[in-house]
Amino acid sequence: GAVVSQHPSRVICKSGTSVKIECRSLDFQATTMFWYRQFPKQSLMLMATSNEGSKATYEQGVEKDKFLINHASLTLSTLTVTSAHPEDSSFYICSARQGLGTTNTEAFFGQGTRLTVV
Amino acid sequence: LAKTTQPVSMDSYEGQEVNITCSHNNIATNDYITWYQQFPSQGPRFIIQGYKTKVTNEVASLFIPADRKSSTLSLPRVSLSDTAVYYCLVGSSGSARQLTFGSGTQLTVLP
Repeated sequence: GAVVSQHPSRVICKSGTSVKIECRSLDFQATTMFWYRQFPKQSLMLMATSNEGSKATYEQGVEKDKFLINHASLTLSTLTVTSAHPEDSSFYICSARQGLGTTNTEAFFGQGTRLTVV
Repeated sequence: LAKTTQPVSMDSYEGQEVNITCSHNNIATNDYITWYQQFPSQGPRFIIQGYKTKVTNEVASLFIPADRKSSTLSLPRVSLSDTAVYYCLVGSSGSARQLTFGSGTQLTVLP
């Protein structure tokens, strides 16, 4: 099946610094990618929808100035956590769906990135 | 987006068949039902997808009654490595549509 690669898998940063997470679709083009956040023992919560060549769409309660999303190509979306604080520590997961139009397609998920802010 | 309800947790023993049922009473006509598996500190992995009746692949079966208001994921002869969280998702088609995750079911397979 299609592969979505996420990097890094684990990162520790100091409070106040910024961290960039990359999400790549390795063998298909994804005009749309999705970013989720997952806290321990909880489900995935959608943060934003990343659209190639345009601005991302953020879910209610997600600060767009704090979580910067760039989808510069059909195979790469990045999430930058700016001025990170300990409460931003979480598991971040990206996703992409193969195909266009109305054909139903399964979603492929990255391996996730464990962010720890100290 | 249709809301889903699943049991919070289930226990089973190795070699048994496990059935996890998901309720989705307000499923729309063009919604598909998809199940994902997630291990700790990993992204979700696609298991199976269906629209109606029964779908079977090499790892699971999905049973969907005629009214489509529920679905049952069936895992034959589970092993310890099947211990994971299983999510039932219901959503409309289209690559630009995001998936909304419910609370999931923690399946624990015991020796």
